[in-house]
Amino acid sequence: GQQLNQSPQSMFIQEGEDVSMNCTSSSIFNTWLWYKQEPGEGPVLLIALYKAGELTSNGRLTAQFGITRKDSFLNISASIPSDVGIYFCAGQKKNSAGLVFGQGTRLTINP
Amino acid sequence: DAGVIQSPRHEVTEMGQEVTLRCKPISGHNSLFWYRQTMMRGLELLIYFNNNVPIDDSGMPEDRFSAKMPNASFSTLKIQPSEPRDSAVYFCASPPIGGLTEAFFGQGTRLTVV
Repeated sequence: GQQLNQSPQSMFIQEGEDVSMNCTSSSIFNTWLWYKQEPGEGPVLLIALYKAGELTSNGRLTAQFGITRKDSFLNISASIPSDVGIYFCAGQKKNSAGLVFGQGTRLTINP
Repeated sequence: DAGVIQSPRHEVTEMGQEVTLRCKPISGHNSLFWYRQTMMRGLELLIYFNNNVPIDDSGMPEDRFSAKMPNASFSTLKIQPSEPRDSAVYFCASPPIGGLTEAFFGQGTRLTVV
């Protein structure tokens, strides 16, 4: 079952607003990733984080690897209609190849 | 680069039938993952191959599920016999050479078992 608690489950915002979502876990992860999935497509990698405390940006997206290695957040600034989709956090544990995914945050933007 | 290619995109089958899902990873990538996505359980890892060898199949739900990677450019996930609870979207993912984390996902196969 899922080991990552992602919140919120859904967000309804106005275009131009900033967005923040996060993932927490009771377990330590060595790597955190954030993916975006659109209908009928596979998840697409947005940001990868490799060190505790790391803060990384990709355009309007910013993500941080929590200092305890048990959490991460993703911020989207100045949202635009194409930001609509489901955002997933994913973690990779030490000595484990596969990813553990959060349940996703569904983002809806009102123009 | 065509990315990870999965086929078919959609599959509808009757309960009890055998189903085979196919994946062509990114050329040159020597690792491959199969994931399953459902509303109830989200994205779950089924099996991981490295250099065509299954390394971790602990996520394979039952003996009805089997996966093979006969060569670096092809993998199959087979369900025999299929059941309605197997209905899901099945993704194949291919990480970059030398890495395992940043997996590139295919578009998935939506399986419906009726």
